[in-house]
Amino acid sequence: DVKVTQSSRYLVKRTGEKVFLECVQDMDHENMFWYRQDPGLGLRLIYFSYDVKMKEKGDIPEGYSVSREKKERFSLILESASTNQTSMYLCATKGQVDSPLHFGNGTRLTVT
Amino acid sequence: GEDVEQSLFLSVREGDSSVINCTYTDSSSTYLYWYKQEPGAGLQLLTYIFSNMDMKQDQRLTVLLNKKDKHLSLRIADTQTGDSAIYFCAESILYNFNKFYFGSGTKLNVKP
Repeated sequence: DVKVTQSSRYLVKRTGEKVFLECVQDMDHENMFWYRQDPGLGLRLIYFSYDVKMKEKGDIPEGYSVSREKKERFSLILESASTNQTSMYLCATKGQVDSPLHFGNGTRLTVT
Repeated sequence: GEDVEQSLFLSVREGDSSVINCTYTDSSSTYLYWYKQEPGAGLQLLTYIFSNMDMKQDQRLTVLLNKKDKHLSLRIADTQTGDSAIYFCAESILYNFNKFYFGSGTKLNVKP
């Protein structure tokens, strides 16, 4: 079974703080993704990475950056957290071309 | 051609069958997926079907695909209270295997 682990289930940060959300997978998948999920807006792709040190912007990259220094780890960085970044953040991985997304358990981030 | 639509709510009694419906618009879909999300958790992959198939059965789950009408359904037989969750339909696209389109989710409520 694919295991995708997000380091925190719940996180509370203050406006302006730098926030790191970590995601680790154990399946040697090339592709990793960060989504955010908001009521009424569904899942929106922030960034994805198709290889170490490679990244591509998704639909809503503004205010976020990512880091992929090792294949198994994909980090989402909020340089200066704002209240409109309060959301559920979901990490996902994907193996070969015709394989599905596998999600972690999510991190619910609250920015106050 | 990226709209994936689902009804928002479905309520059934324990022991009945549930049918969750989804429509999509992109005719170049490759795979269509069903995910389950329990409160506060990530998305769990339930099953997926290649777009040249009509049906796939996996224990209590049956997926039906009508490619002509671009309609996908998930039938859950003998629905249990533990099946109460939000169910997401998603598609991936032939020319971009890292792009996934998600529906807004159907909240299934199973009454005892």
